[in-house]
Amino acid sequence: EIVLTQSPATLSLSPGERATLSCRASQSISNYLLWYQHKPGQAPRLLIYDAFNRATGIPARFSGSGSGTDFTLTISSLEPEDFAVYYCQQRSNWPPITFGQGTRLEIK
Amino acid sequence: EVQLLESGGGLVQPGGSLRLSCVASGFMFTSYGMSWVRQAPGKGLEWVSSINGSGNGTYYADSVKGRFTISRDKSKNMLYLQMNSLRVEDTAIFYCAKDMRRGSGNTNSFDAWGQGTLVTVSS
Repeated sequence: EIVLTQSPATLSLSPGERATLSCRASQSISNYLLWYQHKPGQAPRLLIYDAFNRATGIPARFSGSGSGTDFTLTISSLEPEDFAVYYCQQRSNWPPITFGQGTRLEIK
Repeated sequence: EVQLLESGGGLVQPGGSLRLSCVASGFMFTSYGMSWVRQAPGKGLEWVSSINGSGNGTYYADSVKGRFTISRDKSKNMLYLQMNSLRVEDTAIFYCAKDMRRGSGNTNSFDAWGQGTLVTVSS
């Protein structure tokens, strides 16, 4: 099973700042890495697929990078609606499909 | 517009059964793999099960294998999760999710999710 480790667990930033979230895989997953945004009481939302491709309708301030075992989600300038929990997910070697434990992005 | 709506959650005793349903609309249901993902209280997302577009390929997390069965009804655009021998640790919000790409297999990139249905297993 591929384990995804996200860091930090919590990130406290202010609107307008840059956010950098990390996801590390326990073995190489090529670029088969996705990022989701999840707000309480809502459905998760796909942001990035295959490491760096923005999903339909996702603003350009969201970007993904990385390959192999180390991946990054960057939000260039935080908007108030960006404060949420972010999960990475791998689809390289399954079953099982695995998610990271999440990074909570909170307002400072 | 793609829409997924889950139902069937509720309170059940340990050892009991429950069947979750997810009605899909806004896309060609039989062309996409579908999955169930859950979130236990205060925890992260956990993949539960997937099924391919034709319904003849099914996959399960070890934690539910032998207890849960995923299925789909193409005539009704419905996805199901039959859950037997439920345990306290199965308590979670269960989401159905759609594959991003159409095809015979599962790509496991989930571009649409339902709002979820809450399953509580407690005596």
